[in-house]
Amino acid sequence: DGGITQSPKYLFRKEGQNVTLSCEQNLNHDAMYWYRQDPGQGLRLIYYSQIVNDFQKGDIAEGYSVSREKKESFPLTVTSAQKNPTAFYLCASSRGYNQPQHFGDGTRLSIL
Amino acid sequence: SQQGEEDPQALSIQEGENATMNCSYKTSINNLQWYRQNSGRGLVHLILIRSNEREKHSGRLRVTLDTSKKSSSLLITASRAADTASYFCASNYTGANSKLTFGKGITLSVRP
Repeated sequence: DGGITQSPKYLFRKEGQNVTLSCEQNLNHDAMYWYRQDPGQGLRLIYYSQIVNDFQKGDIAEGYSVSREKKESFPLTVTSAQKNPTAFYLCASSRGYNQPQHFGDGTRLSIL
Repeated sequence: SQQGEEDPQALSIQEGENATMNCSYKTSINNLQWYRQNSGRGLVHLILIRSNEREKHSGRLRVTLDTSKKSSSLLITASRAADTASYFCASNYTGANSKLTFGKGITLSVRP
């Protein structure tokens, strides 16, 4: 079955450490997204990509970085510059920007 | 911010009753989408309504769109305990490469 796989499900970050969240899709979608979800805040867009080797900043990109070397993969790195990284991170993909998005089951990141 | 608003923020009903959730958005849209999120999981797309449509049905779901009021409603008929979840509306605003803008969500509790 096609879908989006996020790993790990839970992740802990130490002070000053960079961590990478994985997102893989086998839906053959061109567009991929990363969102951050905090309680009561809804979803906020971190980065998005429409094609391989191209990506754009969303509303809250500071302290995060991404790459899109393959169509299927869109990993997110939470850098030490992100001072408040504790949140639920969701990856999504779609055929196009105005199309329905398919979501992974998220990664919950906490600080040790 | 172009984030719209949903109301109510929380809704508690008895199994078998209908649940109505409302969403307002800011400017002109290509389409509006509704998503559902179970606790600790990713979002699941429910229904998409285009700007030139006024009503759409999918099973027990009915969505309406009033572009003059910049608002949409999601009706779940004959609710079940399994409908307990958070529901989000997402606006696809007009403009080049416009992404989805999600609301903060509505928490629906259906009592058995």
